[in-house]
Amino acid sequence: EAQVTQNPRYLITVTGKKLTVTCSQNMNHEYMSWYRQDPGLGLRQIYYSMNVEVTDKGDVPEGYKVSRKEKRNFPLILESPSPNQTSLYFCASSLGGQERDQETQYFGPGTRLLVL
Amino acid sequence: AQKITQTQPGMFVQEKEAVTLDCTYDTSDQSYGLFWYKQPSSGEMIFLIYQGSYDEQNATEGRYSLNFQKARKSANLVISASQLGDSAMYFCAMRGGRYTGGFKTIFGAGTRLFVKA
Repeated sequence: EAQVTQNPRYLITVTGKKLTVTCSQNMNHEYMSWYRQDPGLGLRQIYYSMNVEVTDKGDVPEGYKVSRKEKRNFPLILESPSPNQTSLYFCASSLGGQERDQETQYFGPGTRLLVL
Repeated sequence: AQKITQTQPGMFVQEKEAVTLDCTYDTSDQSYGLFWYKQPSSGEMIFLIYQGSYDEQNATEGRYSLNFQKARKSANLVISASQLGDSAMYFCAMRGGRYTGGFKTIFGAGTRLFVKA
C-alpha cells in the first residue's frame, strides 16, 4: 500500500530534550516536506527536500533541522524543543514536477507533539 | 512574497446544495500550482483537486471543481450536491516556482464547512 508513515504519532516531551520525528514514504517520491499545523494558521511549511541531499527552508524553519540521506526518509529533528513548538506535524511527499499527478502531495497521518 | 487568503472562516450549506469556498492568492511566479485539501475531524489531509497555472480549463474531480480566474488570482472550490460527509476543514494551497523562494508550498488558514441535513 502506497503511504507516508510518521513516528511517533503522539509525543510528550520536556523543554530542551532532543527529539526526532521520522517520516518514510514507499512511493519513490522525490519531493518531501514537513509542515506544522496550528489553530487559525493553517499549515506552515518547515522544510522541504527536492531530492536526496537537497533541502531548503520553508516559512518556519527556526528550531528545526532535517536531513535527506535516502530518498524514502526525511526525519525532522528538534535539537532543543521549546513549548512554542507544541503543534501537529505533518510529513508529505510527491513525485515532483509540474503536472497534477506529479505535484499532488500525499500526507502522513500527523504527529501530535506537546513540549512542556 | 507568496500569500494565500481564505476569507471564510466558516460556512454552512444545506445537504444536496452546491457551495463555493473562496481562495485568493498572490505570487509573482508565472508557473505555480494550486490545490485544495480536505481535513475531516479525524485529522488526515486528503487531496481534492489541482490546477496548474498554465491549465486553461478549470479542473474537475467528481463533485469538486476549481473555478480558476487567473487575472483575478482566485481559485475557488465548488462542491456540488453537498453531502453530510463533506463537513470538514478545507485548505487552499499554492506551490510556488523557482523565482520566488524555490518550490515552497503555502496554505491558507482554512474554511470550516458545515453541511446541514
